[in-house]
Amino acid sequence: QKEVEQDPGPLSVPEGAIVSLNCTYSNSAFQYFMWYRQYSRKGPELLMYTYSSGNKEDGRFTAQVDKSSKYISLFIRDSQPSDSATYLCALEQGAQKLVFGQGTRLTINP
Amino acid sequence: ETGVTQTPRHLVMGMTNKKSLKCEQHLGHNAMYWYKQSAKKPLELMFVYNFKEQTENNSVPSRFSPECPNSSHLFLHLHTLQPEDSALYLCASSRRDNPEAFFGQGTRLTVV
Repeated sequence: QKEVEQDPGPLSVPEGAIVSLNCTYSNSAFQYFMWYRQYSRKGPELLMYTYSSGNKEDGRFTAQVDKSSKYISLFIRDSQPSDSATYLCALEQGAQKLVFGQGTRLTINP
Repeated sequence: ETGVTQTPRHLVMGMTNKKSLKCEQHLGHNAMYWYKQSAKKPLELMFVYNFKEQTENNSVPSRFSPECPNSSHLFLHLHTLQPEDSALYLCASSRRDNPEAFFGQGTRLTVV
């Protein structure tokens, strides 16, 4: 079983839709939960970072962590074509080792 | 500009060549990392350096040899690579006490 599972998609939605991206994990020792966005031919850029269960909001983006279910989500409201990218979840349990999901390729259609 | 600069952006090398990838960070971080990103696979951590000292080698073959002369610079020396080593190699940096890692643009490596 992979430590972090993420549906690779691709996921295609119309502009303005609410997007939900998810990861599940098996190791309850993970403490830090991150979402990265990666445009084609670019390195990943950090979008959001959270430590505890609950929600964290930043503009149109909301990160949600449910440690009891080992489930994390990223919601994008009012999605824009510029949000089209691959979204990677990354989890860290200490010792600076980030474990990444496979990434979900998202396309927002105008 | 992400604060982490990688050169070259693209590299094609033969299996008998020796080449080096370079990474420089301008963020004042004290930890640096090499990751490998292959098609349809998650990013894989290769090496971790803290204050110039290697603290993690994730079972990487010896044909990959990292070097960290100071907290701002990181190299990955390559020799006798295989075609399956073709991938995007990403450098990242962070503060030692903070899990937020900032990535460079990557070097797209093709081994022929």
